[in-house]
Amino acid sequence: AIQMTQSPSSLSASVGDRVSITCRASEGIRDDLAWYQQKPGTAPKLLIHSASSLESGVPSRFSGTGSGTDFTLTISSLQPEDFGTYFCLQDYNYPLTFGGGTKVEIK
Amino acid sequence: QITLKESGPTLVKPTQTLTLTCTFSGFSLSTSAVGVGWFRQPPGKALEWLGLIYWDDDKRYSPSLKNRLTITKDTSKNQVVLTMANMNPVDTATYYCVHREDGYKGSAFDVWGQGTMVTVSS
Repeated sequence: AIQMTQSPSSLSASVGDRVSITCRASEGIRDDLAWYQQKPGTAPKLLIHSASSLESGVPSRFSGTGSGTDFTLTISSLQPEDFGTYFCLQDYNYPLTFGGGTKVEIK
Repeated sequence: QITLKESGPTLVKPTQTLTLTCTFSGFSLSTSAVGVGWFRQPPGKALEWLGLIYWDDDKRYSPSLKNRLTITKDTSKNQVVLTMANMNPVDTATYYCVHREDGYKGSAFDVWGQGTMVTVSS
């Protein structure tokens, strides 16, 4: 199975900060990666698909880059509502695998 | 508008079989390239992919659960059923069903059900 290593596991940042989260795949996965945001007690929400395509309705401060093994989710200007846990998911091949998650807290 | 909702028992005993139903609207599982996936998330832990069923009845399962898991669909009822045998306390989790369409949005799982919490305890 492809291992997805996500870092950091948690971060605390101030409103307006630029925040980056990375996922590294144990082998190449082209651009078959999605990013999700999850708030406590709710289902994950799709933010980015195909590594860099912004899901409809998601604010443009979210962006994704990368291809192959290294991927980054960036929040250009952190907002109070961006708290939560962020996950990457590879769907290049089965079994589908997630990164371990990054908990984002607002200072 | 696509919606999905999971239903089933909130409490099962060890060794019992869990049956969860995903009832959806806004799409058809008889449409080419459409699929419904199942995921779970133990309390405070990361998400785990369980399996997936496609419009053509192609099925994929997590290798770690393959011997215990069955996913079926009833296209006429707009439902997908997950059955997991021999439940164990480590299977305590919130279970989600999710829409996917290959070739659309990079085949991402784009619409999630609200999830249903299942506790395994005697």
